[in-house]
Amino acid sequence: AQSVAQPEDQVNVAEGNPLTVKCTYSVSGNPYLFWYVQYPNRGLQFLLKYITGDNLVKGSYGFEAEFNKSQTSFHLKKPSALVSDSALYFCAVILTKAAGNKLTFGGGTRVLVKP
Amino acid sequence: EPEVTQTPSHQVTQMGQEVILRCVPISNHLYFYWYRQILGQKVEFLVSFYNNEISEKSEIFDDQFSVERPDGSNFTLKIRSTKLEDSAMYFCASTLQGGNQPQHFGDGTRLSIL
Repeated sequence: AQSVAQPEDQVNVAEGNPLTVKCTYSVSGNPYLFWYVQYPNRGLQFLLKYITGDNLVKGSYGFEAEFNKSQTSFHLKKPSALVSDSALYFCAVILTKAAGNKLTFGGGTRVLVKP
Repeated sequence: EPEVTQTPSHQVTQMGQEVILRCVPISNHLYFYWYRQILGQKVEFLVSFYNNEISEKSEIFDDQFSVERPDGSNFTLKIRSTKLEDSAMYFCASTLQGGNQPQHFGDGTRLSIL
């Protein structure tokens, strides 16, 4: 069975500092990996994805993520955090040959960027 | 940018009653999904739907649940006899293709069972 772990419930960072949100996954095949962000009372918004190729993928709002197959990780990063980045972040995985294309989510990490 | 829309935003229902949650996916999308998020817990997959049939469903999606695409635009989730533990945020999502395409989510319906 596939699973996703986000080891930190909350990450606090000062505005302007680098932001990292950690994610590790466990799947039996090749995964498609995603990051989503959720603002209060809103649905999940897609940030970026890893499918194949370059291990460093760039996404919306200056976010990027690095796929590391040996460590089965897909950490989300932003070089300089903004107060507006404060939100709930979810890592998710789809198995490449999954019939239903279901997303399996991690538990989420709340990011608080302080001015 | 096209959006997935869900109605109502909040539904309060008595235990044992039937409830229908409605979603309008992005118009040219072909794959449809329902997820739920119980307060304080992770987002969980319920069901995926393609070509007018269920592609995959989770253990949560038991006989009390059903999905339907009654016309060319709506995608509904019905819970036949609601239980207290059905209280959650329910999200609809859609995508043009399966596999590696990102799923687009609506803002959710908060279902409160009394």
